Order: sequence, then C-alpha cells, then structure tokens
Amino acid sequence: ETGVTQTPRHLVMGMTNKKSLKCEQHLGHNAMYWYKQSAKKPLELMFVYSLEERVENNSVPSRFSPECPNSSHLFLHLHTLQPEDSALYLCASSLRWGYEQYFGPGTRLTVT
Amino acid sequence: GQQVMQIPQYQHVQEGEDFTTYCNSSTTLSNIQWYKQRPGGHPVFLIQLVKSGEVKKQKRLTFQFGEAKKNSSLHITATQTTDVGTYFCAGNNAGGTSYGKLTFGQGTILTVHP
Repeated sequence: ETGVTQTPRHLVMGMTNKKSLKCEQHLGHNAMYWYKQSAKKPLELMFVYSLEERVENNSVPSRFSPECPNSSHLFLHLHTLQPEDSALYLCASSLRWGYEQYFGPGTRLTVT
Repeated sequence: GQQVMQIPQYQHVQEGEDFTTYCNSSTTLSNIQWYKQRPGGHPVFLIQLVKSGEVKKQKRLTFQFGEAKKNSSLHITATQTTDVGTYFCAGNNAGGTSYGKLTFGQGTILTVHP
C-alpha cells in the first residue's frame, strides 16, 4: 500500500535535537491524524487536522508541534524530546473526519 | 471522556480454534470500526458497523454491533497463522463536542500456534 507515506522510517535523536516527521497521502482525503504507539498505550491520538484546520489536540506536550500546509501533507516537528517519547509515530488519513482511516507505515523514533 | 475497553488483552490459540475479541464503550457510539495490525506493520482498516444489531461477515471473520450501540465483537472461525496480529476496535463518538473523534481500544494480541 502506498496511499500514505511517512519519512523517515527510523529516527534516532538526542534530547537537544530538532527534527521533523513527514506524512503524505495520495488518496484525496481531507482529514489527517498523528498517533503515538507505544507498549504502554497502544494507540494514542495526538492531533487531527480536518480541511487543514486543527480540530483535535489531545493534551500533547508542546515539544510536539504539528503542521498541515495542505490537505496532502502533515508534519510533526520535534524538539527537546524525552526518552519516554520513544515510540512508533503513525500518520493516518481519512476521507472526512471520523471516517475509516488509512495508516502510513510509521516512523520508529528513539530518543537518546 | 469516552472510553473504549477491549478484552482480552492477549489470546493464544491453536490453529483451527476459534477466537473472539470484545469491545465495550462507556458511551453510545455512532459507529464502530475494526482494524488489524500485523507484527511490525501498521493498522489496516477491516470494517465499519453503523446500525444497531448489525452483523457483517468477511470470510472467516464475523463482526457484530450491539443493540445499544455500546459494544461490539469480532469472531474468527478456525484461525490460521495468517490471522496473527493485534485487533483494534475504534468507536466513533455519537455526539458531544468531538464529533468524528475515533477512540481506539487497547487491542487484542492474537497468537496462533501451528
């Protein structure tokens, strides 16, 4: 499946680094999502964008900053992360907010 | 807030045995979705249930939505090793301020022994 792509697939960063995760969907969808998946909490919704407007922000620390420049692209900017932020970060899209979601392969993030 | 509980957390079966995972919501849902995540993979959408009491089948998989639209189940008949993975339910809020918010259950990890 190549409908939703994510880069990079793996990322190792120090706590003082700044990096960005990128997600792109080729499905013509209007909603995009960021999830965090870790062993402790299987799927945590972080942010939702619908028609390029942020409609959901689930009490995510400010060290995570999303950006949605258009309906096909979604970024997650990372800075001064903590080791407990190490997880699989999944991007998803859906035709509209609340419809079935199509996930990308994820970025495996390790914070050292 | 809305909570979606899924049980069991783990299920180990012998190939050929049946498997069921259950999903319960603290609130009435507008619809429920099911996803499967293979080991090392990402969640893949399986099906959506909308109507009260709805039953849908996909080959050996049977999905049910409760009459009160607060619970759901996924049943796999005669499991195969290809069924291995984590099965998630996700409930869509029926109202409130977060219309369209999908809340995922914790998932059931299925292991199938050949």
